[in-house]
Amino acid sequence: DTVLTQSPALAVSPGERVSISCRASEGVNSYMHWYQQKPGQQPKLLIYKASNLASGVPARFSGSGSGTDFTLTIDPVEADDTATYFCQQSWNDPWTFGGGTKLELK
Amino acid sequence: EVQLQESGPGLVKPSQSLSLTCSVTGYSITSNYWGWIRKFPGNKMEWMGYISYSGSTSYNPSLKSRISITRDTSKNQFFLQLNSVTTEDTATYYCARESGSYDWYFDFWGPGTMVTVSS
Repeated sequence: DTVLTQSPALAVSPGERVSISCRASEGVNSYMHWYQQKPGQQPKLLIYKASNLASGVPARFSGSGSGTDFTLTIDPVEADDTATYFCQQSWNDPWTFGGGTKLELK
Repeated sequence: EVQLQESGPGLVKPSQSLSLTCSVTGYSITSNYWGWIRKFPGNKMEWMGYISYSGSTSYNPSLKSRISITRDTSKNQFFLQLNSVTTEDTATYYCARESGSYDWYFDFWGPGTMVTVSS
């Protein structure tokens, strides 16, 4: 299976820019997607196919990358962005998720 | 708007079967693909499988011998059955809609239902 590796946690101050990385153990083309999950809620789609903003998602969120290295960027970070962010690949079967990056605000 | 809602027992005994229902409103399950994803304690998430608009299925090979996904189009519901559960199947189970673009990401999710496997 394709393993997706994310940093466990990040802490940033409101107004700053933050980049959350996701590295795949093998190439996934551009088939990487990002979700935000707040405690007690379901995941929410943010970015699909590496760089496409999902409907209703603020333009503060952006995605980049291809192949094995992908980045979700939030600029500027707001207090409401406190959440865990997951990447998911859908190029290789079975589809897999990263372990999540917990974003905390200072 | 598309809404999904999981339902089913919150406690299942080891070796028994786990059965969950996903009720969909605002969209027909005879379109798109519909999946089950679970999140284990500690955050690991696993795609379990899906059922298509036509009723065909695909499963994660790690579960292939234990899982079945079916549907009732008259009720706009689809179902998960996981057999021979162990404590390692304790997780929050989500149903979700694949976007319809064949890019295989999930654009609508249910709120999830927590299932504990314990005697």
